[in-house]
Amino acid sequence: NAGVTQTPKFRILKIGQSMTLQCTQDMNHNYMYWYRQDPGMGLKLIYYSVGAGITDKGEVPNGYNVSRSTTEDFPLRLELAAPSQTSVYFCASRSEGNTIYFGEGSWLTVV
Amino acid sequence: KNEVEQSPQNLTAQEGEFITINCSYSVGISALHWLQQHPGGGIVSLFMLSSGKKKHGRLIATINIQEKHSSLHITASHPRDSAVYICAVGRDSNYQLIWGAGTKLIIKP
Repeated sequence: NAGVTQTPKFRILKIGQSMTLQCTQDMNHNYMYWYRQDPGMGLKLIYYSVGAGITDKGEVPNGYNVSRSTTEDFPLRLELAAPSQTSVYFCASRSEGNTIYFGEGSWLTVV
Repeated sequence: KNEVEQSPQNLTAQEGEFITINCSYSVGISALHWLQQHPGGGIVSLFMLSSGKKKHGRLIATINIQEKHSSLHITASHPRDSAVYICAVGRDSNYQLIWGAGTKLIIKP
């Protein structure tokens, strides 16, 4: 099993550009999450999904969009990137037994 | 006040010392998680607890539901244990986790 796979690992965006962070899991988990982590801070929930076709906002959804067309994939889209979106992004999934699996993180810089 | 508080924020110890990291929470929970974030950024789940105590190698996690408190212990600490240790609690059916700010642990050789 590959677990949770995130791409890209590093990206530099210019202000106003858009991009999609990809997240795929091969464990057939229904629950998936996107977090951001700012330097020295804890994780903040952006969006989550409880299954294919169902998504909901977390604490800090502004400036982001998600979709969940399949159980495996949960992409995060940044529209009109802003410097405040410079952060490390983590995708995670949760098993039915509540164990949480994280991707390796995506480092995004908006300049 | 944060719903999940960790202490200490930073901890530096010598190799071999017994380490304790604490987590207190103020909400009703269904489970509590301890995770480790390596200096490179990757996050690994260490334990999930809803009661009692769990042990894995040199790591021990305990939880007291009545006191809303959990501890993570590391015995015979080693420099490779240097990482940020994060406590998170799960609450509702959608299991949105509430995260502590983390404890940065440095073990010196």
